[in-house]
Amino acid sequence: GDSVTQMEGPVTLSEEAFLTINCTYTATGYPSLFWYVQYPGEGLQLLLKATKADDKGSNKGFEATYRKETTSFHLEKGSVQVSDSAVYFCALSETGGTSYGKLTFGQGTILTVHP
Amino acid sequence: DADVTQTPRNRITKTGKRIMLECSQTKGHDRMYWYRQDPGLGLRLIYYSFDVKDINKGEISDGYSVSRQAQAKFSLSLESAIPNQTALYFCATSDLPSGLAASTDTQYFGPGTRLTVL
Repeated sequence: GDSVTQMEGPVTLSEEAFLTINCTYTATGYPSLFWYVQYPGEGLQLLLKATKADDKGSNKGFEATYRKETTSFHLEKGSVQVSDSAVYFCALSETGGTSYGKLTFGQGTILTVHP
Repeated sequence: DADVTQTPRNRITKTGKRIMLECSQTKGHDRMYWYRQDPGLGLRLIYYSFDVKDINKGEISDGYSVSRQAQAKFSLSLESAIPNQTALYFCATSDLPSGLAASTDTQYFGPGTRLTVL
C-alpha cells in the first residue's frame, strides 16, 4: 500500500536559518503530493502541492519539488521565522483505483523556531 | 465564519459511553472525511464519504461508525468508547476533482475535536 515517511523530529532552528524537512513516499501509481501545516490549536491547512514529476510547489517562501526518480518531496525554506513554528505533514493522493482522492499522511514533523 | 466546523471542540467521557462528534461544512463539497491524529502517527483515515449515499471505511474503522445526514453534515460515533480512542479527531472536506488531474483536490480541515476517554 501507499506510505509516506518524514524525517524524525522535532526540528529546532534559529530565526533566519535554512529549513529542510525530508519526505519520501511509496505509491503504486502516479500520486499527487502535498505539504500540510498545522499551527498550534488549529486544523491542518494546505501549504503547497505538486501533481506530476518535476513540478515545484511553492507558498509563503516554502518550496518542494516532486522527484519521481528518488520518490521524494522535500520541503525547504531559505529563512525561517518564529511564525513558521508548527507541525508539517507530507501527504500523497493517488490518482486512480480504490485509493482515488484519499490522502495518506506522514507522521508529521514538529518545527520550533527560536528568535 | 469557519467553512468546516466541528462540535464539540473538547470532550471527556468514560469507558463504555456512546459519543457522537459532529462536522458541518459550508463549502458545498460532496466529499467528507474523518481522521484521527495520534502523536508520532500522523493522521489516519477512519471513514470517508464521496456523497450522501456513498460511505466507505478507511484504514482504522473498527469501533467507529458514521452518518452522512446531508451534503453538509457528517457525524462520527463511538458506540462504546475505550481509552485507546483518546485522540484528536479531524473532519475534512474536498470538492470533486475535475478533468484528468484527478487527485488534485485539496482537503479542507476543521479545527479538530480533542477526545479523552477515561
